[in-house]
Amino acid sequence: SQTIHQWPATLVQPVGSPLSLECTVEGTSNPNLYWYRQAAGRGLQLLFYSVGIGQISSEVPQNLSASRPQDRQFILSSKKLLLSDSGFYLCARGQGTSGSHEQYFGPGTRLTVT
Amino acid sequence: GENVEQHPSTLSVQEGDSAVIKCTYSDSASNYFPWYKQELGKGPQLIIDIRSNVGEKKDQRIAVTLNKTAKHFSLHITETQPEDSAVYFCAAKVAGKSTFGDGTTLTVKP
Repeated sequence: SQTIHQWPATLVQPVGSPLSLECTVEGTSNPNLYWYRQAAGRGLQLLFYSVGIGQISSEVPQNLSASRPQDRQFILSSKKLLLSDSGFYLCARGQGTSGSHEQYFGPGTRLTVT
Repeated sequence: GENVEQHPSTLSVQEGDSAVIKCTYSDSASNYFPWYKQELGKGPQLIIDIRSNVGEKKDQRIAVTLNKTAKHFSLHITETQPEDSAVYFCAAKVAGKSTFGDGTTLTVKP
């Protein structure tokens, strides 16, 4: 089966501290990988997506960055967190570049910036 | 870019009744329309999807309809049960990227 792991599950960080969230995928090769942020009571905002190792596309200008050092690993980072970075961060995987492929989500990381 | 609007934002029904959630999209090139169910504190789960060459799809108590001319699609849940209570999201996908609606909080009262 194809599984998505995210850690940590929850995180509380002070303003100005660095951030590193990790996502790993099992059971598939060369997946498309995505980072989304979900604010409380809102929909999903696409932050980054990657079609391969080292290939990152940013969807919105922000305080965050993403990297894909391995085929099945996707990392979301920040050098200095802002209060507005609080939210529920979701990693997702898809397959291929066709617009008709399903997308599956990981369990998410709840980030609170204090 | 794509814009997806979802209505209603909240929906409360009695157990056994039907629930309908509607979404509209703006980009006529969108060709894949999934629906997700999200329970509190968890990631969204894909529950049903429809592709642009299909008008309707059904899976047990859940059905989705698509009207490409009008650019809207709907989720229908029949014989609702308390465990159907969750937040439901629609999405429209084009060129490998999905745009999501803001979600509908469905409450099924026993």
